Amino acid sequence: GQNIDQPTEMTATEGAIVQINCTYQTSGFNGLFWYQQHAGEAPTFLSYNVLDGLEEKGRFSSFLSRSKGYSYLLLKELQMKDSASYLCAVKVDSSASKIIFGSGTRLSIRP
Amino acid sequence: DAMVIQNPRYQVTQFGKPVTLSCSQTLNHNVMYWYQQKSSQAPKLLFHYYDKDFNNEADTPDNFQSRRPNTSFCFLDIRSPGLGDAAMYLCATSRRTGTDEQYFGPGTRLTVT
Repeated sequence: GQNIDQPTEMTATEGAIVQINCTYQTSGFNGLFWYQQHAGEAPTFLSYNVLDGLEEKGRFSSFLSRSKGYSYLLLKELQMKDSASYLCAVKVDSSASKIIFGSGTRLSIRP
Repeated sequence: DAMVIQNPRYQVTQFGKPVTLSCSQTLNHNVMYWYQQKSSQAPKLLFHYYDKDFNNEADTPDNFQSRRPNTSFCFLDIRSPGLGDAAMYLCATSRRTGTDEQYFGPGTRLTVT
């Protein structure tokens, strides 16, 4: 089976840093995505990792360890607009485009 | 701006009355997807097209059908909606090359009465 685990909820303070973890056990691995989803809206692409290491993109960074089946999304200088769900998703098959989503982590930012 | 468009944004249908949701894209992407998302849950893939090649998920109910008449348009038909089909339906596209990240439309929220 395919299993992607993330914490259900997290809370952080405006201006701070938060790390959202994702662990996966899947039949294959061809890349890991992070998406942001505001309530009632569609997911938007944040980052992609296929090799081990850290990818930095502005205030957001994503890390991958394939041997550990582990990724995290790091958000710096948190803003109120960062309150959203963050979805981890794994592409399991190199020959197909489909990805499997985790249930998401709902992040609340307090002033 | 290139984008993924879904119509309508909100759809109300009666129990058992067929309904069609539509999706169009100006990105010229090869792949189009339909997801069902219920509150606080992960998007669940129903099916996807790679060009005209249809790929159904094993656990997608027969009640759900799809059509892709051309590159730009894709439809989701629910033949006999039940109360359990009330959800957000998300259409997405991807290029199938490179990062292959998916671009999502705004979704259609379906209510079944």
